Amino acid sequence: GENVEQHPSTLSVQEGDSAVIKCTYSDSASNYFPWYKQELGKRPQLIIDIRSNVGEKKDQRIAVTLNKTAKHFSLHITETQPEDSAVYFCAAKKGRNYQLIWGAGTKLIIKP
Amino acid sequence: DGGITQSPKYLFRKEGQNVTLSCEQNLNHDAMYWYRQDPGQGLRLIYYSQIVNDFQKGDIAEGYSVSREKKESFPLTVTSAQKNPTAFYLCASEGLSNTGELFFGEGSRLTVL
Repeated sequence: GENVEQHPSTLSVQEGDSAVIKCTYSDSASNYFPWYKQELGKRPQLIIDIRSNVGEKKDQRIAVTLNKTAKHFSLHITETQPEDSAVYFCAAKKGRNYQLIWGAGTKLIIKP
Repeated sequence: DGGITQSPKYLFRKEGQNVTLSCEQNLNHDAMYWYRQDPGQGLRLIYYSQIVNDFQKGDIAEGYSVSREKKESFPLTVTSAQKNPTAFYLCASEGLSNTGELFFGEGSRLTVL
């Protein structure tokens, strides 16, 4: 079955710098790749997603890139701010009747 | 105001007791999910339901039970057979046409005394 690996498990960056989190997936049939942000004690919330028919998607300071050949996708956060501190989860899904397969999460720490 | 509501937010249970966590959504979503999250860990799927009166086991279904008698409701029962039930429980529903986007409730934190 599908397996999603996420790296790093913890990422510490200086405020204002960029952060990159990478996920790899095993099933080439996966076609939907969301990223969720979870603040401490709160629910996960979708921040950006990408489907397999595009290679990149941006939303202000956040972008996601997808490399189908290499089977990996990455979250890029530019000009990081203290409120970006959270745990970020990637996931992959094959299609309508399949479940989301989750990565283990990355704890992002923004240093002032 | 559309959304997904979980209750209670905090729950304490004595060993050997069953407890039921409520999950209600008014988003008209077909698919609903229950996840368990342990401190510092990721999301593990307990049960899911893609349609009324039907549900499937996830990766860690042992010690849990669910029902889906109404589209809006997907309650989770944590039974006494669950050996380590202390955790944060998240309910979610999936966007129309099973697009993939999950909408989460605020979660229920269960502590076994």
